Amino acid sequence: GENVEQHPSTLSVQEGDSAVIKCTYSDSASNYFPWYKQELGKGPQLIIDIRSNVGEKKDQRIAVTLNKTAKHFSLHITETQPEDSAVYFCAAMSKDSSYKLIFGSGTRLLVRP
Amino acid sequence: NAGVTQTPKFQVLKTGQSMTLQCAQDMNHNSMYWYRQDPGMGLRLIYYSASEGTTDKGEVPNGYNVSRLNKREFSLRLESAAPSQTSVYFCASSALDRGLYTGELFFGEGSRLTVL
Repeated sequence: GENVEQHPSTLSVQEGDSAVIKCTYSDSASNYFPWYKQELGKGPQLIIDIRSNVGEKKDQRIAVTLNKTAKHFSLHITETQPEDSAVYFCAAMSKDSSYKLIFGSGTRLLVRP
Repeated sequence: NAGVTQTPKFQVLKTGQSMTLQCAQDMNHNSMYWYRQDPGMGLRLIYYSASEGTTDKGEVPNGYNVSRLNKREFSLRLESAAPSQTSVYFCASSALDRGLYTGELFFGEGSRLTVL
């Protein structure tokens, strides 16, 4: 089955700097890659996603890149703000895994004012 | 707009006790899921229901049972709780689009379970 690895587990950046979180996946049939943000005491919320027929997607200060050959994808947050502090999860889904969404282990991002 | 509602939010059990976590969604989604979240382990899928009347095992189903009561409700039962089941449990729902291979998950706020 699918296995998703996420790095780093914790990330501390200065406000205004960029943050990058990386994930690798094992199942070459995976074709949908979402990113979720979890604030303290809340459930995760989708912030951006990408399908396998696209190499990059941007939404204001966040972007996701996908390298299908290497089987890895990354979340980029530019001009970080204190409200970006949260736990971020990557995930992968494929038809072969019965459309189950498999999550990475999470990255705790701290943006220092 | 309630979205996904889970009850209870907190529960303390003794080893061997049973309990049921309830989940309901008001978005008319076909698919519903139960995940557990443990430190350093991310979100692991316990069971899911792709549509009303069907349930399937996820990554960590042992020690749990589920019931898809109707399209809105999906419950998770621990028949004989163990300390290893201490975790935060999340219910989620999705309007899974198999043709487009997408499907945003909408999560509840979680249920924190402690088994002593």
